[in-house]
Amino acid sequence: GEDVEQSLFLSVREGDSSVINCTYTDSSSTYLYWYKQEPGAGLQLLTYIFSNMDMKQDQRLTVLLNKKDKHLSLRIADTQTGDSAIYFCAEALGFQKLVFGTGTRLLVSP
Amino acid sequence: GAVVSQHPSRVICKSGTSVKIECRSLDFQATTMFWYRQFPKKSLMLMATSNEGSKATYEQGVEKDKFLINHASLTLSTLTVTSAHPEDSSFYICSARGRTDEQYFGPGTRLTVT
Repeated sequence: GEDVEQSLFLSVREGDSSVINCTYTDSSSTYLYWYKQEPGAGLQLLTYIFSNMDMKQDQRLTVLLNKKDKHLSLRIADTQTGDSAIYFCAEALGFQKLVFGTGTRLLVSP
Repeated sequence: GAVVSQHPSRVICKSGTSVKIECRSLDFQATTMFWYRQFPKKSLMLMATSNEGSKATYEQGVEKDKFLINHASLTLSTLTVTSAHPEDSSFYICSARGRTDEQYFGPGTRLTVT
């Protein structure tokens, strides 16, 4: 199947850490991505992880991959109000196709 | 980084008319371009994949006669929504890929059919 699921909503306070979770179904995915979408805008690639890695850190972002459970997470440290957006995980199937998750709306309050 | 533009950013058209959306890669050559559709508060759904100079490959359930895709050059792909109806109202996003696997996304086009 090609269902990629995420929780719909996450609310945190400024300065806290945010953890956004994603469950995918295709074990043959080569890369897994995290994208950010601000209102009325396209997608911005935040980070990605290759399927043979467990963890990747990039400044405030930490990606964890549990391939056995097909679980991907994105941790944002010191979350800021500017991080409020919708976050999509996506898995790359084969060479071409990206399958997107359902999206998590992150709301950061002051 | 690579930049992808879309034009127009917003369009309102009457039911029964056709509307064309352009997707351009501004600073790289895009051998492959993708068209996605996003419903309100929903995820992106891949509509079709187009390679320069060849016919687009449509995803299951996407009407190829309704959503015409042309990828005539390495920097331009167009999506034409023919005989648009209100149910075609949506946010359409393109992405482009050059030599690497990364897809660069355009800012999206909001189509409203009245």
